[in-house]
Amino acid sequence: GIQVEQSPPDLILQEGANSTLRCNFSDSVNNLQWFHQNPWGQLINLFYIPSGTKQNGRLSATTVATERYSLLYISSSQTTDSGVYFCAVLLTGGGNKLTFGTGTQLKVEL
Amino acid sequence: SAVISQKPSRDICQRGTSLTIQCQVDSQVTMMFWYRQQPGQSLTLIATANQGSEATYESGFVIDKFPISRPNLTFSTLTVSNMSPEDSSIYLCSVRTLNTEAFFGQGTRLTVV
Repeated sequence: GIQVEQSPPDLILQEGANSTLRCNFSDSVNNLQWFHQNPWGQLINLFYIPSGTKQNGRLSATTVATERYSLLYISSSQTTDSGVYFCAVLLTGGGNKLTFGTGTQLKVEL
Repeated sequence: SAVISQKPSRDICQRGTSLTIQCQVDSQVTMMFWYRQQPGQSLTLIATANQGSEATYESGFVIDKFPISRPNLTFSTLTVSNMSPEDSSIYLCSVRTLNTEAFFGQGTRLTVV
């Protein structure tokens, strides 16, 4: 099956710093999403980005589908950005199964 | 976007018992899914809940352990049967319409003692 790897697995930042999270996938995909899982376990939708670039406030994302990766940029990080970030992909011609990446655990410190 | 209500939000259960988790969506959706997230792990798909018919289970998950119902387009339940401590996880309901983004309920944090 499709492999979805995220890097780095863990990241500690000082408040105000910028970071880039990466998602690599092993096959062609129709759909890619980024989620933030808060400390209470809830998954928050960040981006639906099968290709191209999108921005929402301090966050932006870029997907290069032909090269099978996506990047999530966090600028001017805040303590509320802490949590786990997941990418998830829907395989082209692979039915309805959304496959999640391995996740990046982010901690933002004062 | 879809608003998903999942309950209970958390529970502590005795081993050998069963728990039923409910998922209610505010609009009719094509697809509903159930995921499991074991401690410190990513999300794994348990099954696709099919309206009016048996759910489609992923490898490693069986109907006897995780019976699922979906009586209509806005409601589904997942039961975790004959629980053991290994079933302690977050269980999440998800919905999606074809070729659109997926949305998740707030999750059910289950602890089995």
